[in-house]
Amino acid sequence: DTGVSQDPRHKITKRGQNVTFRCDPISEHNRLYWYRQTLGQGPEFLTYFQNEAQLEKSRLLSDRFSAERPKGSFSTLEIQRTEQGDSAMYLCASSSTWGSEQYFGPGTRLTVT
Amino acid sequence: GNSVTQMEGPVTLSEEAFLTINCTYTATGYPSLFWYVQYPGEGLQLLLKATKADDKGSNKGFEATYRKETTSFHLEKGSVQVSDSAVYFCALSSLEDDKIIFGKGTRLHILP
Repeated sequence: DTGVSQDPRHKITKRGQNVTFRCDPISEHNRLYWYRQTLGQGPEFLTYFQNEAQLEKSRLLSDRFSAERPKGSFSTLEIQRTEQGDSAMYLCASSSTWGSEQYFGPGTRLTVT
Repeated sequence: GNSVTQMEGPVTLSEEAFLTINCTYTATGYPSLFWYVQYPGEGLQLLLKATKADDKGSNKGFEATYRKETTSFHLEKGSVQVSDSAVYFCALSSLEDDKIIFGKGTRLHILP
């Protein structure tokens, strides 16, 4: 197993455009998490899934953000009408059960110009 | 709500120096505590963890002890190396929810 992978690694977009990121968790991991890390800060929780069910969303996740995990495997995070404040590193993590270690992917760095 | 406070960086040390990075937390109940490390250009990696009071987590020469009485989880290493240069995050998770709460991170520079 190669660990959690994310695609793309870098994304530059213009303000107002939509972007979509993909996360592939470690196979057989039921739980998948999204975090956002801005410059000089620690990662902040956005949302998580148990299989295909989205169980919690942070207040950081505005209406412009949507996350899916349609078949309980990979997940996508879409940002509509991007703003400069959305520029950040978006991290995905997965774990096998509640409370077990979360393994992080390399992240997708988004720059909104 | 739950939170983590860690010493601000950057911290610059010479090789073989003793390292301490302070971390305190606020949480209800009995959280699990972690130190994560982020090397340049790489993703977050779990460095060590402790799940109950007085537990000591250790890995790669780093140690941290879960101190409930002082709500602290300070990271220590007796002799740092240039390869330890990275950003270190203190973090917690609680039994009530499964998300990790991170501190702001401490950048560590080790000079040869």
